[in-house]
Amino acid sequence: EAGVAQSPRYKIIEKRQSVAFWCNPISGHATLYWYQQILGQGPKLLIQFQNNGVVDDSQLPKDRFSAERLKGVDSTLKIQPAKLEDSAVYLCASSRGQVYNEQFFGPGTRLTVL
Amino acid sequence: GQQLNQSPQSMFIQEGEDVSMNCTSSSIFNTWLWYKQDPGEGPVLLIALYKAGELTSNGRLTAQFGITRKDSFLNISASIPSDVGIYFCAGQDYGQNFVFGPGTRLSVLP
Repeated sequence: EAGVAQSPRYKIIEKRQSVAFWCNPISGHATLYWYQQILGQGPKLLIQFQNNGVVDDSQLPKDRFSAERLKGVDSTLKIQPAKLEDSAVYLCASSRGQVYNEQFFGPGTRLTVL
Repeated sequence: GQQLNQSPQSMFIQEGEDVSMNCTSSSIFNTWLWYKQDPGEGPVLLIALYKAGELTSNGRLTAQFGITRKDSFLNISASIPSDVGIYFCAGQDYGQNFVFGPGTRLSVLP
């Protein structure tokens, strides 16, 4: 079974630029999560999708961050415009559902904002 | 928002020693997950716990869902060099909200 795929693995941009990350979850997993992990900290949930609907986006900075999962499979997370404090690893995870919700993570995208 | 506390923050042990770490919360959780993260990689799921009092093993790893639903423990027996990494606990509450702890950094000395 293929794991969670993410791209790109690394991205360097200047502040005020835009960036987008892509995630393809494990086949058949209905729930998809985006996390932000700042160096030295645990992952922080940004948004959770159940199929193509948003379950929780309470910690997503909606003035600059957006995410979509249009067909209930892969997802994109966008930052526009980026700030220095957005430098972090962006992790995507998926799980079968919300009851037995063992989350499996992708390798992450390391974003550096200069 | 909710927060999880993990202790210790970091630990240095000799190869072959047993390791214990824990995770506590002020809120009640219905799920506890334990992950290990290596540098440059995403977290890897080690153990999932779904019932208070549950004790689950995965090889040399054993984790327990605390009876109060506010804590969980992870033990590693007979540590080896590849156990080095950061161990995270994650909890889900009855509102389906997920939160990760700050991690315990484990170093194993040969």
